[in-house]
Amino acid sequence: QVQLVESGGGLAKPGGSLRLSCAASGFTFSDYYMSWIRQAPGKGLEWVSYSSTSGTTIYYADSVKGRFTISRDNAKNSLYLQMNSLRAEDTAVYYCARALAKRWLQKEWPNYFDYWGQGTLVTVSS
Amino acid sequence: QSVLTQPPSVSAAPGQKVTISCSGSSSNIGNNYVSWYRQLPGTAPKLLIYDNNKRPSGIPDRFSASKSGTSATLGITGLQTGDEADYYCGTWDSSLSAAVFGGGTKLTVL
Repeated sequence: QVQLVESGGGLAKPGGSLRLSCAASGFTFSDYYMSWIRQAPGKGLEWVSYSSTSGTTIYYADSVKGRFTISRDNAKNSLYLQMNSLRAEDTAVYYCARALAKRWLQKEWPNYFDYWGQGTLVTVSS
Repeated sequence: QSVLTQPPSVSAAPGQKVTISCSGSSSNIGNNYVSWYRQLPGTAPKLLIYDNNKRPSGIPDRFSASKSGTSATLGITGLQTGDEADYYCGTWDSSLSAAVFGGGTKLTVL
């Protein structure tokens, strides 16, 4: 069965860094697009980033652009999120999710998210 | 402020039907597929509906959805206490080049 297990969350200081990992199993990781989605305490879902199968197409939410970097290692069935210049408003549970994409002409984008991990909590506080 | 607008809460009695609306614009719902997710308390979101009205394997037909113009609707019939959860709509916004979600709707089964 499909499993996504996030790790790497914890407490970071404002301006600090953290690297999240997502270990995938139960499916051919290299065949699927992947995303990070977060949820601040008591708040709704906020999409963070998306990577195509090879990592050649990547999108970021404006709120994290220039600070966060998504990457993947298909040989290790793993997805990563490098988070730099952390802010208090980045405090959230971060979910790794498998994404099904839509393609039209030369473009592609995440259409929906069919499997989600259990999440890892990131707290940014001094 | 979410790009997609959902009512904060809805409620209905067990066995009844409820609908949850999701309103957007031409750059998101109007030109892209809508998906719906359910988040039970303390758990990760789960896909309920994709491509406007399709149910993944294992999702009962008590759950249905539709899209018209720049709005979408999720319907749940035969409500059970176990349906109490937060429900989110989602889609792609072509202008923002970003996936967007509604603010979520808390369903209470009275």
